[in-house]
Amino acid sequence: GESVGLHLPTLSVQEGDNSIINCAYSNSASDYFIWYKQESGKGPQFIIDIRSNMDKRQGQRVTVLLNKTVKHLSLQIAATQPGDSAVYFCAENSRRDMRFGAGTRLTVKP
Amino acid sequence: DAGVIQSPRHEVTEMGQEVTLRCKPISGHNSLFWYRQTMMRGLELLIYFNNNVPIDDSGMPEDRFSAKMPNASFSTLKIQPSEPRDSAVYFCASSPRQGNTEAFFGQGTRLTVV
Repeated sequence: GESVGLHLPTLSVQEGDNSIINCAYSNSASDYFIWYKQESGKGPQFIIDIRSNMDKRQGQRVTVLLNKTVKHLSLQIAATQPGDSAVYFCAENSRRDMRFGAGTRLTVKP
Repeated sequence: DAGVIQSPRHEVTEMGQEVTLRCKPISGHNSLFWYRQTMMRGLELLIYFNNNVPIDDSGMPEDRFSAKMPNASFSTLKIQPSEPRDSAVYFCASSPRQGNTEAFFGQGTRLTVV
């Protein structure tokens, strides 16, 4: 079946640097995408979303880019902080359900 | 609002026993999801409800798994009989409506079947 997947399972960055986490999706009919952050022992938490009629959306220190041509999403975190260390998931949300990619573990080095 | 509330937080049970996981969604939310998370398979959607009605249960792994939503404020996921391979963290999530909206997750139930 169609699925959402990630390019990189782990990412290690220096504190203060920018982070980029990537995600590929396969369902061209998907029209809504979400990035979640999951800290150890907790459930996933919403970070930012984007609809398919947009190619960029910015939040506080985070930016999501959507490239529908190649079915690719990315999450950019500016000035990465130790508190950003977590597993990040992209999720593909349709009119019916929400399915997650494999996740990328982000580690921030001091 | 207290968010999505799951109970218990941890459950250890013996193989063959029945296990019931509970979820209270956020008040006013119409959609409810059950997910299972393991290292090997990541976050898997098991079943979801809209307006208390099961919409898609194709992710439920076997007949040993069942889920109910008797009213808008309560849902259960039952495993009977449980097996060691059912060990995982089970998350419940709710969202205001079906589709194109974020889901809010509970803290999860860590199930260990020995």
